[in-house]
Amino acid sequence: DAGVTQSPTHLIKTRGQQVTLRCSPKSGHDTVSWYQQALGQGPQFIFQYYEEEERQRGNFPDRFSGHQFPNYSSELNVNALLLGDSALYLCASSPSMNTEAFFGQGTRLTVV
Amino acid sequence: KNEVEQSPQNLTAQEGEFITINCSYSVGISALHWLQQHPGGGIVSLFMLSSGKKKHGRLIATINIQEKHSSLHITASHPRDSAVYICAVIGTGNQFYFGTGTSLTVIP
Repeated sequence: DAGVTQSPTHLIKTRGQQVTLRCSPKSGHDTVSWYQQALGQGPQFIFQYYEEEERQRGNFPDRFSGHQFPNYSSELNVNALLLGDSALYLCASSPSMNTEAFFGQGTRLTVV
Repeated sequence: KNEVEQSPQNLTAQEGEFITINCSYSVGISALHWLQQHPGGGIVSLFMLSSGKKKHGRLIATINIQEKHSSLHITASHPRDSAVYICAVIGTGNQFYFGTGTSLTVIP
């Protein structure tokens, strides 16, 4: 079992650009959550997807959007990138109605 | 105020020492995770607990639901234990709230 996989591992973008990050959940997991972790900070919840719908959302602007596909994989899209969007983006998957969660290695986004 | 507070923020210990990291939270929870994050980013869940105590090797985690407090203990610490340890609680809506982490350095 590959666990939770995220791609790419590192990414450099220019301010104002758009970025798409991808996450494949652990086998058997249908719930995917995304988190942003700024340097030296704990992760912050962005949103959670279940059954291809956004179920919960943290305090992030509409520039942050997502999608979940029928195979439960998920994408995080960020538009109009700001320097402050530079962070580690973590994806976690869990079985529905269960609190166990597994994290991916993260995507390190740098906005210049 | 953060929903989850950890202490200390930074901790340096000599190899072999007994280490305690504390976590207090202010929201209703269904469970609590202790996470380990090494340089480079990857997060590993060490424990998930909703009551009592769990032990895995040299690691022990306890939780007191009434006092909204949890502790992570490391016995006979080793340099490979050096990492950031994050307390995360799962709210009643299945949403994670994270502490800012405790950076542990174990010196040989």
